[in-house]
Amino acid sequence: SQTIHQWPATLVQPVGSPLSLECTVEGTSNPNLYWYRQAAGRGLQLLFYSVGIGQISSEVPQNLSASRPQDRQFILSSKKLLLSDSGFYLCAWSTGGEAFFGQGTRLTVV
Amino acid sequence: QKEVEQNSGPLSVPEGAIASLNCTYSDRVSQSFFWYRQYSGKSPELIMSIYSNGDKEDGRFTAQLNKASQYVSLLIRDSQPSDSATYLCAVLRSNQFYFGTGTSLTVIP
Repeated sequence: SQTIHQWPATLVQPVGSPLSLECTVEGTSNPNLYWYRQAAGRGLQLLFYSVGIGQISSEVPQNLSASRPQDRQFILSSKKLLLSDSGFYLCAWSTGGEAFFGQGTRLTVV
Repeated sequence: QKEVEQNSGPLSVPEGAIASLNCTYSDRVSQSFFWYRQYSGKSPELIMSIYSNGDKEDGRFTAQLNKASQYVSLLIRDSQPSDSATYLCAVLRSNQFYFGTGTSLTVIP
């Protein structure tokens, strides 16, 4: 069966520090991968999606970037965090139908 | 115009009642539609997917799709306190999932 791992679960980072969130999927090949952010009490904002290794589409201009170094690995990064980057970050995968989410990373930038 | 719109609620129903959640979408080319449940502090979990007009039933849940009206709904029968959560409507178009802001449901014992 397919599983998705996302870590860390919680993270507190100072303003201006770098960020790296990792997501891996098991049990499927060539999934579409997604990074979403959910601000408190808000909906899901699509940040990046990838349909294959090295193929990244960005939906929102920001100081975040994403990379897909392997088929089932998706990384979200920032060189310098802003206060506005705080939120609940969710990785998801799909093979053309439903999307399935990881457990999420709650990021607080202080 | 937002891709997906939902009434944010909150919606309160007594235990055992039917909860009705509604969603509209803006792009007619959307083909796939989903309902997710999200408990506070947790990630969304898939409840139902629906791809063609009509009703789809799974246990206490029924999804309804009307492509002509660009309307998707979710009915929860015999609502339980454990159904209290935020329900997200999503549509898939061009490999991208577009989510509504969610409807908060509270089932009162």
